[in-house]
Amino acid sequence: GAVVSQHPSWVICKSGTSVKIECRSLDFQATTMFWYRQFPKQSLMLMATSNEGSKATYEQGVEKDKFLINHASLTLSTLTVTSAHPEDSSFYICSASFGLEAFFGQGTRLTVV
Amino acid sequence: LAKTTQPISMDSYEGQEVNITCSHNNIATNDYITWYQQFPSQGPRFIIQGYKTKVTNEVASLFIPADRKSSTLSLPRVSLSDTAVYYCLVSRGAGSYQLTFGKGTKLSVIP
Repeated sequence: GAVVSQHPSWVICKSGTSVKIECRSLDFQATTMFWYRQFPKQSLMLMATSNEGSKATYEQGVEKDKFLINHASLTLSTLTVTSAHPEDSSFYICSASFGLEAFFGQGTRLTVV
Repeated sequence: LAKTTQPISMDSYEGQEVNITCSHNNIATNDYITWYQQFPSQGPRFIIQGYKTKVTNEVASLFIPADRKSSTLSLPRVSLSDTAVYYCLVSRGAGSYQLTFGKGTKLSVIP
């Protein structure tokens, strides 16, 4: 099957700093990628839809100025958490479609201290 | 999109068949049913997708009755490594990738 890779797998950052998470489709091109957030013992919540070459579409309640998404190529989307705070600590997961399936990255554990 | 309802948790012994049922009463004509598996600190993994009747692949079977208001994921002879959260999703069209996840079912396989 297709492979979606995220980097880093985990990151610890200080409050107030920014963190960039990369999502790559390794063996296919993805015009659309999706970013999810998952808090402990909860389900995945869609944050935004990343569109190659255009602005991302954010779900209601997600601050677009805080969660910057860039999808500059057909194989890479990035999520930057700006001015991170402890409440942004979560598990961030991206996905991309290939054929009839959605493939997910392995996730990025963000801890803001 | 149709809301899904699944049991919060299930326990099973190794080697048993496990059936997880999901209800989706408001499923629309164009909606497909997809099941994902998620291990702790990992992204979800596609298990199976279907529209009606029965679908089987190398890891699971999916049973969908004629009214499509529910579906049952069947895992044959589970092992300890099948301990995970299983999500039932309803998506508009087979290639719909903006997925809405419900709470999922936490399956615990006991030795």
